[in-house]
Amino acid sequence: GNSVTQMEGPVTLSEEAFLTINCTYTATGYPSLFWYVQYPGEGLQLLLKATKADDKGSNKGFEATYRKETTSFHLEKGSVQVSDSAVYFCALSDPYTGGGNKLTFGTGTQLKVEL
Amino acid sequence: EAQVTQNPRYLITVTGKKLTVTCSQNMNHEYMSWYRQDPGLGLRQIYYSMNVEVTDKGDVPEGYKVSRKEKRNFPLILESPSPNQTSLYFCATQTGVNTEAFFGQGTRLTVV
Repeated sequence: GNSVTQMEGPVTLSEEAFLTINCTYTATGYPSLFWYVQYPGEGLQLLLKATKADDKGSNKGFEATYRKETTSFHLEKGSVQVSDSAVYFCALSDPYTGGGNKLTFGTGTQLKVEL
Repeated sequence: EAQVTQNPRYLITVTGKKLTVTCSQNMNHEYMSWYRQDPGLGLRQIYYSMNVEVTDKGDVPEGYKVSRKEKRNFPLILESPSPNQTSLYFCATQTGVNTEAFFGQGTRLTVV
């Protein structure tokens, strides 16, 4: 079956540090890949997405590139801020399972950014 | 404003007492689903619905029921809740196949 593996947290960084959160996946076919962010007490919000190999998703200074050869979708940001503190989820959507809409999530990575 | 609205946000109940968590969307999306979020497990799909009167099981359907009588509503029903159903629940909607999901604010359920 499909699966998503992302790095364990929590990740603690100083403000303006470089961020990488690793994500690798296993899927049949050609999934779409997503990063969602969850701020404390809130639901998940889409951060960025990529629908095919070599696509780069970007939003709010975050980037991730769909790498089919390494089955990866690592999240990066050049300079984090305290306001980026949240839990980040990597996810995939496989058109061949769950009616084509089921999202398979990683376990989430908590990011804490300190001054 | 496009919204997915869940109620209640917090609920504490006792084992065996039937409860319903409501979910309503104003985005006219056909696809709706329920997920539960547990520490160390991420989010797992409980049930989904591709359209009115069309529902199917996700990965963890045991102990839950759903219905889709109208396009905008997709309630989650726990007929006889047990402590292992203590979790954070999210309703989500999507426009179509293989698309991003829009999530509600979540319902934190505690079963004692």
